[in-house]
Amino acid sequence: GAVVSQHPSRVICKSGTSVKIECRSLDFQATTMFWYRQFPKQSLMLMATSNEGSKATYEQGVEKDKFLINHASLTLSTLTVTSAHPEDSSFYICSARGPGGNTIYFGEGSWLTVV
Amino acid sequence: EDQVTQSPEALRLQEGESSSLNCSYTVSGLRGLFWYRQDPGKGPEFLFTLYSAGEEKEKERLKATLTKKESFLHITAPKPEDSATYLCAVQAPDGQNFVFGPGTRLSVLP
Repeated sequence: GAVVSQHPSRVICKSGTSVKIECRSLDFQATTMFWYRQFPKQSLMLMATSNEGSKATYEQGVEKDKFLINHASLTLSTLTVTSAHPEDSSFYICSARGPGGNTIYFGEGSWLTVV
Repeated sequence: EDQVTQSPEALRLQEGESSSLNCSYTVSGLRGLFWYRQDPGKGPEFLFTLYSAGEEKEKERLKATLTKKESFLHITAPKPEDSATYLCAVQAPDGQNFVFGPGTRLSVLP
């Protein structure tokens, strides 16, 4: 149980365009989901906490207008990178608070390459 | 401020050479300490949750232990497939945030 799925696993987009990444909890409802960014050989950097039905809480230094997060249902959160630039290229990972709320489970991650 | 540190940063072991990874934390009112395994290019995979000092959990060659200030992930007779980055995280008292350590990159050589 407690499976989290991300889509797409890899995406290439042109500079200036927007790209959306989906995070779904497959077998449980997640009121809270988290979005991370990870650079090679570095740890997870929390970008924002997404609560169903309310605005996301962004970490300091993360641009809200650039990284749009929507958590419209109990099983889906989306991250939209707007006006993407090559420096946005990274590995983006979502996680969801599992049943009982005491453990978080991660998606498989999404590689974004902006060319 | 809640903090999590992990040591060593990287560890190379020969197959069968047991060792331990350390996770030290400073958080008031720990609600849980978590261990994850992350393979390159993949999301972290949940391993263990520990809630109170003295607690231990095991899974195959891995055993996690917890004290009031640190946790250890013991790896017994590791195999090359145990090579990965091991992350620990603590859940803050408010129950909302999870603070991750930087990870330990483990390489097990055949």
